[in-house]
Amino acid sequence: AQSVAQPEDQVNVAEGNPLTVKCTYSVSGNPYLFWYVQYPNRGLQFLLKYITGDNLVKGSYGFEAEFNKSQTSFHLKKPSALVSDSALYFCAVRDILTGGGNKLTFGTGTQLKVEL
Amino acid sequence: EAQVTQNPRYLITVTGKKLTVTCSQNMNHEYMSWYRQDPGLGLRQIYYSMNVEVTDKGDVPEGYKVSRKEKRNFPLILESPSPNQTSLYFCASSLSVLRGETQYFGPGTRLLVL
Repeated sequence: AQSVAQPEDQVNVAEGNPLTVKCTYSVSGNPYLFWYVQYPNRGLQFLLKYITGDNLVKGSYGFEAEFNKSQTSFHLKKPSALVSDSALYFCAVRDILTGGGNKLTFGTGTQLKVEL
Repeated sequence: EAQVTQNPRYLITVTGKKLTVTCSQNMNHEYMSWYRQDPGLGLRQIYYSMNVEVTDKGDVPEGYKVSRKEKRNFPLILESPSPNQTSLYFCASSLSVLRGETQYFGPGTRLLVL
């Protein structure tokens, strides 16, 4: 079965500092990995995904994520946080080998708070 | 504009009163899915559809029904809502689910069952 863990319910960072939102996954084969962001009273918006190839994936709004197969991680990063980055972030996984039941499995979400 | 739309956005109802939440996409996507979002639990899949007339259960299907008579529409039906179905619901669609295609989400429907 595929699963994903976001170990931090909340991450606080000062504006201008780098941010990291952690995600680890478990699959039988190789993963498709996604990050989504949810702003208050909005639906989920796609940020970036890893399918294959370069382990460093660049996405929207200056975010990037690094796929690390040995550590089964896909942490979301940004070099310089903005107050407007404050939102709820979800990591999601799908197992390529098993098909993952034809679905994505989402983590529980990490609330990012960027303060002045 | 490519989008997934849901209606209504907010709904307050009473236990046992049947309701339908509509979902429509204009991207000619084959795959559609319903999720519910609850604090501390993330998003959990209720039902999904691989194509017209093809639907299947997700992780939490109890108390819900769906249908996929047209490619663009995927309504979620609660025949006898109960308070434990109070939640935030999202519809999503993608070209398929086979090759890591991105899922696009609707704006959400906040449901309160009294």
